[in-house]
Amino acid sequence: GNSVTQMEGPVTLSEEAFLTINCTYTATGYPSLFWYVQYPGEGLQLLLKATKADDKGSNKGFEATYRKETTSFHLEKGSVQVSDSAVYFCALRRTNAGKSTFGDGTTLTVKP
Amino acid sequence: DTEVTQTPKHLVMGMTNKKSLKCEQHMGHRAMYWYKQKAKKPPELMFVYSYEKLSINESVPSRFSPECPNSSLLNLHLHALQPEDSALYLCASSQEELAGVNEQFFGPGTRLTVL
Repeated sequence: GNSVTQMEGPVTLSEEAFLTINCTYTATGYPSLFWYVQYPGEGLQLLLKATKADDKGSNKGFEATYRKETTSFHLEKGSVQVSDSAVYFCALRRTNAGKSTFGDGTTLTVKP
Repeated sequence: DTEVTQTPKHLVMGMTNKKSLKCEQHMGHRAMYWYKQKAKKPPELMFVYSYEKLSINESVPSRFSPECPNSSLLNLHLHALQPEDSALYLCASSQEELAGVNEQFFGPGTRLTVL
């Protein structure tokens, strides 16, 4: 079956630090990969996505590259801000399937 | 309009009450979803509607009853809930159920407390 494994949190960083949140997946075929962010008291918002190998998704300074050889989709940001404090979910969807498979989520806290 | 709206934002109900959660989208999406999310956990899929027909029921107890009156609306009817059903209920939509390249758009959720 499909699965997504995220690095365990919580992660605490100082403002302007470099962020990496690891995500690896197991899936048959060629899934699309997503990072969603959930701010306190809100629903999930799409942060970025990649639909095929070697694609790089980017948004708001965040980046992730679809690495088929290592089945990974690690999230990175060069300089985090306090406003980036949230829970980050890595997810996959297979090409012809409606269900999303989510990782357990990683809580990021950025301190001033 | 790229928004999914949900009402109410908060709901407190007793175990004998009947209530409904509502979800609406005007993006022309043909797939709509209900998720349940417990604190510090990922969303768990409950139901999927595709073209207004129930496509997936993830073995959800019958005290939860979904309804899709039209392509823009999704309801979740609640009856005889248990305290362990307290959670954030998220609605989502996507262009097509089986187009995995497309992301899901999530609403802000309804925070449900069952007393």
